[in-house]
Amino acid sequence: ETGVTQTPRHLVMGMTNKKSLKCEQHLGHNAMYWYKQSAKKPLELMFVYSLEERVENNSVPSRFSPECPNSSHLFLHLHTLQPEDSALYLCASSQELTDTQYFGPGTRLTVL
Amino acid sequence: DQQVKQNSPSLSVQEGRISILNCDYTNSMFDYFLWYKKYPAEGPTFLISISSIKDKNEDGRFTVFLNKSAKHLSLHIVPSQPGDSAVYFCAASVAGATNKLIFGTGTLLAVQP
Repeated sequence: ETGVTQTPRHLVMGMTNKKSLKCEQHLGHNAMYWYKQSAKKPLELMFVYSLEERVENNSVPSRFSPECPNSSHLFLHLHTLQPEDSALYLCASSQELTDTQYFGPGTRLTVL
Repeated sequence: DQQVKQNSPSLSVQEGRISILNCDYTNSMFDYFLWYKKYPAEGPTFLISISSIKDKNEDGRFTVFLNKSAKHLSLHIVPSQPGDSAVYFCAASVAGATNKLIFGTGTLLAVQP
């Protein structure tokens, strides 16, 4: 595998479910990011991790819980989501916080 | 309130001609600008960037122009090729917070053979 991978690519869940999105980067980067892209809206930054420490939390509801166990992996744990949380969730990584961000293909999430 | 705006949701251009994609911003603190390109079912890929100390940056067929007084930047692709058909996103960041990219909504470019 190369670059930034995300699993699953598609996810359908009910409002009472708990699920997790996984991101893995194979680039040796130190920073990782979660973005959300809703229909007809720009990408919105959700969380930023640098060297496994969270450095940014953009007023994201607590039903989204990130986890960065090491510099190669980033998770987004989801619980009791709302239908308006349906969106494309993109992971990205960069060498350092100031460097170019490389994106994964995203997970298309549908909340019923 | 969107700080980065791409007012044209779509653009159609003939192969071989120039494509011009536009982006306007409102935050005068932005000092670094990027263009990303996105194909369906793939994540955005970095294309080209420009710092506010420059007004032009060129990389092969791609040139980005920055007009700070107008708070406007544009991406020129010449000559356009069918493989350039994709969604193009403009993004900006503030000095000291370059990890916080503010994106526009994107412009879908279709290059007709």
